[in-house]
Amino acid sequence: DTAVSQTPKYLVTQMGNDKSIKCEQNLGHDTMYWYKQDSKKFLKIMFSYNNKELIINETVPNRFSPKSPDKAHLNLHINSLELGDSAVYFCASSQESGGAYEQYFGPGTRLTVT
Amino acid sequence: AQKVTQAQTEISVVEKEDVTLDCVYETRDTTYYLFWYKQPPSGELVFLIRRNSFDEQNEISGRYSWNFQKSTSSFNFTITASQVVDSAVYFCALSERGSGNTGKLIFGQGTTLQVKP
Repeated sequence: DTAVSQTPKYLVTQMGNDKSIKCEQNLGHDTMYWYKQDSKKFLKIMFSYNNKELIINETVPNRFSPKSPDKAHLNLHINSLELGDSAVYFCASSQESGGAYEQYFGPGTRLTVT
Repeated sequence: AQKVTQAQTEISVVEKEDVTLDCVYETRDTTYYLFWYKQPPSGELVFLIRRNSFDEQNEISGRYSWNFQKSTSSFNFTITASQVVDSAVYFCALSERGSGNTGKLIFGQGTTLQVKP
């Protein structure tokens, strides 16, 4: 059983399109995150939800909108895709939001915008 | 402000050599947590270890060991008798209890380790 899963694994799309990435965790965790890894491998937090409530919203363009329908799912919708959005997007989950617990990451979604 | 620095961008060693990956952090919080993650060529991020700021005991897990020193704000990672399968990008990360209780991870830039046969 995969602990944190993401779909799709690869996403190739054109500028201006709208796309979504889905994430699911079966660990029973309360907190989920989205991170972006750029071409230089740098990882940066984007959003976090704790029990379906948004608790982190870093400086991310409002073309990015997360949605958490329940504790086990966190989706990321991106409007009007731009070339600079090309990256690997990782979903993660942790037992709680206080920072004391490790985060488990999904396999990543490689987004390529042409 | 919180920050994690991994000064070594790339390290190349020959199999069976020992290698140490450096990590230096900055935080004003008194309660914080440090992590190491491994990202092999397949791309997933694998959790290796978590340390809290009150526990400075070093830890050993097989060929892996970690040295946490609050006096120098460092959390270094040593691989003993490296193997080709250790080739990966290794990330050090920090989370602060005081960051609004969000648990967000601040990552270092990563160190690419190449172990040659």
